Amino acid sequence: AQSVTQLGSHVSVSEGALVLLRCNYSSSVPPYLFWYVQYPNQGLQLLLKYTTGATLVKGINGFEAEFKKSETSFHLTKPSAHMSDAAEYFCAVMGAAGNKLTFGGGTRVLVKP
Amino acid sequence: DGGITQSPKYLFRKEGQNVTLSCEQNLNHDAMYWYRQDPGQGLRLIYYSQIVNDFQKGDIAEGYSVSREKKESFPLTVTSAQKNPTAFYLCASSPFGPAAGELFFGEGSRLTVL
Repeated sequence: AQSVTQLGSHVSVSEGALVLLRCNYSSSVPPYLFWYVQYPNQGLQLLLKYTTGATLVKGINGFEAEFKKSETSFHLTKPSAHMSDAAEYFCAVMGAAGNKLTFGGGTRVLVKP
Repeated sequence: DGGITQSPKYLFRKEGQNVTLSCEQNLNHDAMYWYRQDPGQGLRLIYYSQIVNDFQKGDIAEGYSVSREKKESFPLTVTSAQKNPTAFYLCASSPFGPAAGELFFGEGSRLTVL
């Protein structure tokens, strides 16, 4: 069984400030981890993923995430927020031999000018 | 252009009626999924299919049905047995192998029960 917890359903940041979204997971097998972004009334789009290898993963739009096995975490960061980053972000986990994703509850990001 | 097409985008239904949501993909993906999204609850898996003529229940399958007669198509029927059907429904597809988990999503269908 696997699960995902995203700390904070809403995050507010100023334009140009650091964006940090927290994700912790549980998985009985080595996990594959994902971050997706959703803009209003649209489907989700893949930001980045971790499968194996380097634990710091870079994605689109300047986002990156670090897999920390000891902390069972996969936090998402972006050094400098842009107004276009306002969206909802979802962390997801899949067992390495699995065939379906389990999503967290999502974190909505508000960017203030 | 390759992608996932969901229709209709908005749908209103009276209580007691079945409705069918369409999902078509031209990405040649083997796996297809239906998720339900409610505010604050993330995405919950309803059904998924990895191959034509085969599908599995997800976490919240009660009150829903699906079919997979063609690789490109994975329609979802919301039946009158679904107690609280008002929600945003998302269809997705993915390839097998190393890219499994990289889901491509449609733009969603918003169902409202009147």
